[in-house]
Amino acid sequence: GAVVSQHPSWVICKSGTSVKIECRSLDFQATTMFWYRQFPKQSLMLMATSNEGSKATYEQGVEKDKFLINHASLTLSTLTVTSAHPEDSSFYICSARSGGSYEQYFGPGTRLTVT
Amino acid sequence: GQNIDQPTEMTATEGAIVQINCTYQTSGFNGLFWYQQHAGEAPTFLSYNVLDGLEEKGRFSSFLSRSKGYSYLLLKELQMKDSASYLCAGGYYNQGGKLIFGQGTELSVKP
Repeated sequence: GAVVSQHPSWVICKSGTSVKIECRSLDFQATTMFWYRQFPKQSLMLMATSNEGSKATYEQGVEKDKFLINHASLTLSTLTVTSAHPEDSSFYICSARSGGSYEQYFGPGTRLTVT
Repeated sequence: GQNIDQPTEMTATEGAIVQINCTYQTSGFNGLFWYQQHAGEAPTFLSYNVLDGLEEKGRFSSFLSRSKGYSYLLLKELQMKDSASYLCAGGYYNQGGKLIFGQGTELSVKP
């Protein structure tokens, strides 16, 4: 149980275009989903927290107009990287939690390369 | 803030035992997670400690001391496949369910 999927697993896009990444909880209802970014040899950096049906809460320094997060249902959250730049190239990982549990279940990650 | 500190790198020998330490700020602390992450992959859950003491799961054990703000992950009978990054993460009551991650400890297991 507690499986989280992400799609796509990798994507290459051109500078200036937008990319959408989907995060789905397959066998549980995710009241909260988290989006992380990870650069090589670094730890996870939390970008934003999203609760179903409400606006995402972004961490300091993360541009909410650039990284659009939608959490329209209890099983799906999306992250859209708008007007992508090469410095947005990174490993994006989502996680989900259910109810009051602190445990987060991680998706497999999406490797984004912006050329 | 709730700083989570752990060593950046460690090296150990195949078959040996290694202990990865983690310290955290105790104010508002709920529990502590350990995750394993291989390069290019998402983190996988190893353990969750809420109460003081040692919890053993096969070759991996995790310890917590709430009063000292200290935890460690103990890996026994090391195997080459244990080479990975180990992430310590704290759950805090005042953080809306977020986990606060340490910088990760890159463990290299040598033959």
